[in-house]
Amino acid sequence: SAVISQKPSRDICQRGTSLTIQCQVDSQVTMMFWYRQQPGQSLTLIATANQGSEATYESGFVIDKFPISRPNLTFSTLTVSNMSPEDSSIYLCSVSTGDYEQYFGPGTRLTVT
Amino acid sequence: QKEVEQNSGPLSVPEGAIASLNCTYSDRGSQSFFWYRQYSGKSPELIMSIYSNGDKEDGRFTAQLNKASQYVSLLIRDSQPSDSATYLCAVNRISSASKIIFGSGTRLSIRP
Repeated sequence: SAVISQKPSRDICQRGTSLTIQCQVDSQVTMMFWYRQQPGQSLTLIATANQGSEATYESGFVIDKFPISRPNLTFSTLTVSNMSPEDSSIYLCSVSTGDYEQYFGPGTRLTVT
Repeated sequence: QKEVEQNSGPLSVPEGAIASLNCTYSDRGSQSFFWYRQYSGKSPELIMSIYSNGDKEDGRFTAQLNKASQYVSLLIRDSQPSDSATYLCAVNRISSASKIIFGSGTRLSIRP
């Protein structure tokens, strides 16, 4: 399986600011996804990061709040914009190599004060 | 009805026994099924995938799928304290097969 890294691993941010999270994979992958996992909850898909085109967002998530970039087949960023305490969560990227199995990065723990 | 349902637990199993984790799903057309293990403070780790009815074994883990009953389970034989974690069941979406939906997870505790 691919080796996935995320930066930063954690951050504490003030409300109203934005944070960009990076996801790097050690090999080219077909699909990249961004998830959120709130404390004690399961994973919720935010969007699919599409290489060369706009991300595909799930219901309840919008581009203005969570802009995503995917400039190539090994890298993606997720920005959490105009943060509020409700955005405090773990943000995870995952990759799929074409057989629908998904592998997760280590996650970014975000706290908004 | 939730798309993927799991008992939240905690499920407490003595060391050396078999742990049985269950999951039901609502979309009859789903074709791909996954079990992830998540330790506290860590990201989910894929431990089993299953695509056909029946059993699939990998070491101490056995995944069982019954599409007619829309039921998938994970058995852990010879349970070890290191198996204590939350186990997430995930199922692919019919509308977009590359996307998977996660259950809420079952917390498993192996007691010595």
